[in-house]
Amino acid sequence: NAGVMQNPRHLVRRRGQEARLRCSPMKGHSHVYWYRQLPEEGLKFMVYLQKENIIDESGMPKERFSAEFPKEGPSILRIQQVVRGDSAAYFCASSGQLDNSPLHFGNGTRLTVT
Amino acid sequence: LAKTTQPISMDSYEGQEVNITCSHNNIATNDYITWYQQFPSQGPRFIIQGYKTKVTNEVASLFIPADRKSSTLSLPRVSLSDTAVYYCLVGDRANAGKSTFGDGTTLTVKP
Repeated sequence: NAGVMQNPRHLVRRRGQEARLRCSPMKGHSHVYWYRQLPEEGLKFMVYLQKENIIDESGMPKERFSAEFPKEGPSILRIQQVVRGDSAAYFCASSGQLDNSPLHFGNGTRLTVT
Repeated sequence: LAKTTQPISMDSYEGQEVNITCSHNNIATNDYITWYQQFPSQGPRFIIQGYKTKVTNEVASLFIPADRKSSTLSLPRVSLSDTAVYYCLVGDRANAGKSTFGDGTTLTVKP
């Protein structure tokens, strides 16, 4: 897991604030995925990005959530006006060029909304 | 949607072989089957991947029957440190949004 870096590891926000989660993929990977995991549940797909493009955002809530993966720098998952229900672990994964390349995950950002 | 079904939990003892089966009746032609292991407070870790028949690596084997509607992860001689949640994921990059992890199988290895 050390190859995919996520920060911060823990993030506390009050209701109504913004949360910004960062993900640096493994070296050489240009495909990034974001997942959300609620306690005692599996991972739920949110969005799949390549450099400067959103490929699949079918799992992303329509409001308050956005993601980007700029040409330079990490991928950012942004949650505006957070609510208590946004409290979860958010995992980023990256993969290589092949369509069946396995996902390599970071250790997640645990968001707590108070 | 390549929905997967796994047992919620399994118990085993150190030194035993453990087999975890995942059902994926709606698997598509382009889909691969990938298994991940997750420890508390960590991200999932890749274990093994296959398309058909049998695949083996240094930590596990994966058995996939001809119809590909299920797969079995086999962990030889488990130890206490293998206690974790195991997920099977069916899909490929083109259908990333349609690939679901499911709720996983919690394996508990006892001494």
